[in-house]
Amino acid sequence: SQTIHQWPATLVQPVGSPLSLECTVEGTSNPNLYWYRQAAGRGLQLLFYSVGIGQISSEVPQNLSASRPQDRQFILSSKKLLLSDSGFYLCAWNSGRGYEQYFGPGTRLTVT
Amino acid sequence: GEDVEQSLFLSVREGDSSVINCTYTDSSSTYLYWYKQEPGAGLQLLTYIFSNMDMKQDQRLTVLLNKKDKHLSLRIADTQTGDSAIYFCARGFNNNDMRFGAGTRLTVKP
Repeated sequence: SQTIHQWPATLVQPVGSPLSLECTVEGTSNPNLYWYRQAAGRGLQLLFYSVGIGQISSEVPQNLSASRPQDRQFILSSKKLLLSDSGFYLCAWNSGRGYEQYFGPGTRLTVT
Repeated sequence: GEDVEQSLFLSVREGDSSVINCTYTDSSSTYLYWYKQEPGAGLQLLTYIFSNMDMKQDQRLTVLLNKKDKHLSLRIADTQTGDSAIYFCARGFNNNDMRFGAGTRLTVKP
């Protein structure tokens, strides 16, 4: 069966510091991968998606970036965090053969 | 306006039925989804319905789709305290374009 992992689970970082969040998927190959941000009391905002290694599409211009160095690894990064980057970050995958997306447990990021 | 809209809160008593409503604007959506998010956790896919269906039932869950009004609902029968969570409606028409509502926080009172 497929599983999706995210780490860390929680993170507190000062403004201006770098960020690296990691997402990995097990039990499938060549998945579509997604990064979402969920702000408090709001829905999910799609940040990036990837259909393959090295292929990244950005949905929203911001100081975040994403990379996919391996087939089942998706990384969300920032060189300098802003207060507005605080939120709950969710990684999701999709098999590419269906429409439904499956979500990881999320990372709670607080920028202070 | 938002592509997918939901009311933000719903409160019911244990044992009652809950009905969570959602409206969407994009009539080309092929699938519509309901996800459940428990506190501090990711989203769990509950059920989905294809746009050529009117109803789908899965145990305590019933999904109704009114394509004319672009209205989707999720009915939870015999609501339990464990059903307390945020429920997200989402629409999609390909793998890379799924839009979520803001979520409805369901509170079940004993």
